[in-house]
Order: sequence, then C-alpha cells, then structure tokens
Amino acid sequence: ETGVTQSPTHLIKTRGQQVTLRCSSQSGHNTVSWYQQALGQGPQFIFQYYREEENGRGNFPPRFSGLQFPNYSSELNVNALELDDSALYLCASSQGPSGGTYGELFFGEGSRLTVL
Amino acid sequence: RKEVEQDPGPFNVPEGATVAFNCTYSNSASQSFFWYRQDCRKEPKLLMSVYSSGNEDGRFTAQLNRASQYISLLIRDSKLSDSATYLCVVNIRGNKLVFGAGTILRVKS
Repeated sequence: ETGVTQSPTHLIKTRGQQVTLRCSSQSGHNTVSWYQQALGQGPQFIFQYYREEENGRGNFPPRFSGLQFPNYSSELNVNALELDDSALYLCASSQGPSGGTYGELFFGEGSRLTVL
Repeated sequence: RKEVEQDPGPFNVPEGATVAFNCTYSNSASQSFFWYRQDCRKEPKLLMSVYSSGNEDGRFTAQLNRASQYISLLIRDSKLSDSATYLCVVNIRGNKLVFGAGTILRVKS
C-alpha cells in the first residue's frame, strides 16, 4: 500500500451540488497532486499543492478548487457539479513538486464520483 | 493533438509471448518519462522510469527516442498477472505529469 488515503471512496451527487474530497498524503511527503480519470481515459492533472500553496493547475475551471493543510493533507472541492464531472478522482503524494529523485507519484485508491 | 498518445489496444497475447507498446509525445521540452501500470478499478502504480540510454527491469525493457519523441515498453515472457492497463507518462515542467489514455494488455492461458 502507498500510505495515501482518500475519502470517501464512492459518492453520488446531483447536478448543481457541491462535493469535497479528502486526501491524506504519505508520511514525509509535502506535495499533493489531484487528477481526474474519466472512464477509459488516463488521469488528467487538476492541480498540485506544495507547502500549502497551489503550484500549478491544469485545464479545469475555477469551480474546481483545493486546499492543503499544515499536515500536508489536502481537499478537492468541486462546485456546481455537472454530469461530466463523473469520474475517479485520484490524489497523489510525492516528496517535492517534481516527485522526488525518481519522479514517482504515490496514488491513493481514489474517490469515485457519480453525478446524476 | 494529444500531448501523449498511445494505442488503446487491447493487446490479447498468450502466456509466454513478447509484447511491445509504443507511445508518442508532442512536447519536445518534456523532461522525464515513465510507465505506470493500472489494474482494473485500482490506482496507477509506477512500473518503471524511462532513461535515454534505455533500461531494463527483469522482463520489462523501456526505451526512449528523443529525436522521434516516442517511448516504448517491451514485456518478455508475458504472465497472466501482467494483464492491466499500461499508462505512458511524461513530465513536462516538473510538477505536472501528463498521462496517455493507456494501452490494455490481456494475457491469456
């Protein structure tokens, strides 16, 4: 196991609602990246948090926002949910923004969001 | 054009076969390269990094061709347990990994 935990594992929301997903990073890791993985696609980069600051963002609208806490855990918030937001949301922790010496990201098992 | 492109497959091969996947990337400034493996409904896990000189880890060999902007993964002596989706991953600017859509491998007995 990677030591990265995410919650909740599954959830169902309706269009227009808001959701908060949580991630606890692996011990010793100060960086958390969030990815969205739609069915049949590879993970898409949403944003990264390094030492409590946003450190890069992908092509996602402002209704996707996040936080990182002093213990390096993180939240992903999505407002005004749309049907296309249905996906697996993956949190990945790393030792530094570049993923440490080997560029490795350690992924949690994900939160599967269904928007009806 | 997608930043990272892979043949989605599926590649259906018998046990013991050798199979190769290719991946192309569009950004010539890409800095580092990886293959990740993702089992059905699980999270991606790093399989191996890809170095310019090529590298091998047991039955797996990865190669990088910067001039042609492609990456390859060769699996020898395929096992049933190799069945998974293989994701080609490119690090473009240090803090953002770009994933391909993945290539599905099914190894059959």
